[in-house]
Order: sequence, then C-alpha cells, then structure tokens
Amino acid sequence: AQKVTQAQTEISVVEKEDVTLDCVYETRDTTYYLFWYKQPPSGELVFLIRRNSFDEQNEISGRYSWNFQKSTSSFNFTITASQVVDSAVYFCALSEAIPYDKVIFGPGTSLSVIP
Amino acid sequence: NAGVMQNPRHLVRRRGQEARLRCSPMKGHSHVYWYRQLPEEGLKFMVYLQKENIIDESGMPKERFSAEFPKEGPSILRIQQVVRGDSAAYFCASSPPLAAGEETQYFGPGTRLLVL
Repeated sequence: AQKVTQAQTEISVVEKEDVTLDCVYETRDTTYYLFWYKQPPSGELVFLIRRNSFDEQNEISGRYSWNFQKSTSSFNFTITASQVVDSAVYFCALSEAIPYDKVIFGPGTSLSVIP
Repeated sequence: NAGVMQNPRHLVRRRGQEARLRCSPMKGHSHVYWYRQLPEEGLKFMVYLQKENIIDESGMPKERFSAEFPKEGPSILRIQQVVRGDSAAYFCASSPPLAAGEETQYFGPGTRLLVL
C-alpha cells in the first residue's frame, strides 16, 4: 500500500537558517511520482516539484533543493536561508500512475520562520 | 491560461442543507480529482472523474456525497444533508489526458465549507 510519512509535525527556525523537511514514502510499484506542495496561511496549494522514480538526480531551484534517495525511500526538501514568507505547511505526496491514480499526501510539516 | 477555478471559495450551511461545490478545470484538462482536507490534517483523495465518467470513487463517503463531471460545464461535488463533520476545505485538481507531457495535478484554491 502507498504511504507517505512526514515525521516532523512542526518546525520553527530563525530567519536565514537552513531547514530540511523530511519525507519517507512506501510503495510497491517501480514507477511512481513524488511531489512537494506548499500551503501558505492563505490556504491555497502551491505546486513545488514533481519527480519520477527513474530520476534520482537532486534538484535545486533558487533557495529550494530536493534530495531523492531511492535506497532509503526518502525525498527530503531543504530551504536555504529561510525567509518569513516560507512559513507554511509543506506536503510531500506520492502517486503511482498519473493521471489514473490518486495522489497520497503526507500529513504535512508546519514550518514557522521567525524574524 | 487560467488555473483551476473553484466556487464558492467559502460556503456556510446549516445542518441538513445541501452543499454544491463547483470546479472548472484548466483549459485542455479532462481529468478532475476532488480531495478533502479536514482541520489540522492533510489532504485525502475522494474521487477521480473524467468527462461523464467516475473512474475511482474509493475515497468518497458511502452516503450523502456524490460527484459528477458533465460533458458541458464544471465538475460538481454535492453533499446532501450536511453535518458538522463535513466542515473542511475541499480541493479540486485537474490534469491533462495521459501522454500530454504534463502529468502533474494542478490544484484550485479550495472551497471552505462550514456547517453550523
């Protein structure tokens, strides 16, 4: 069965610190997709990244970077030099067969960046 | 290209009333998904529809909830005889047909339902 675990419920950091959000997933399929979404206090869901299971290259986008480790079934997300605007709930998610399957979301990690 | 649109953004209903939530997918997207986010929780899949067809409704409560995606018009999530436990944010997402090269589901802003 599919499952996504985000062990960190809440994290607080001081502005300009780096922070890593952990994500561990379970799936029996060999082809799957991993996602990160951001949900700011306004409530909408903002797509951040999609990664397919065959692409283990790490990705960097500005202050954001993602570390995909198939061997440990992890897809961690790091924010460098955090800013107050990064305060949000971050969801890691998994899908086994887009677009014919549902996205399974983790419980989310609430990040607070303190000025 | 407008994103996924949902209306209303906020909906207040009294117990026993009906709630109708609308979702217009992105242009060119023929697949629609509905998710529910209960307070302080992550999103849970409810139903996946293509035009005029329900593909997967494994996440839908057995009673009072229904969804449709007609040939013309938006997708509708309908909740009959609402109860307080239905209070949640309901998100719609859409994606293009398979092999379009953009498989990501794009989410709408959500409808916040409050049942008094």
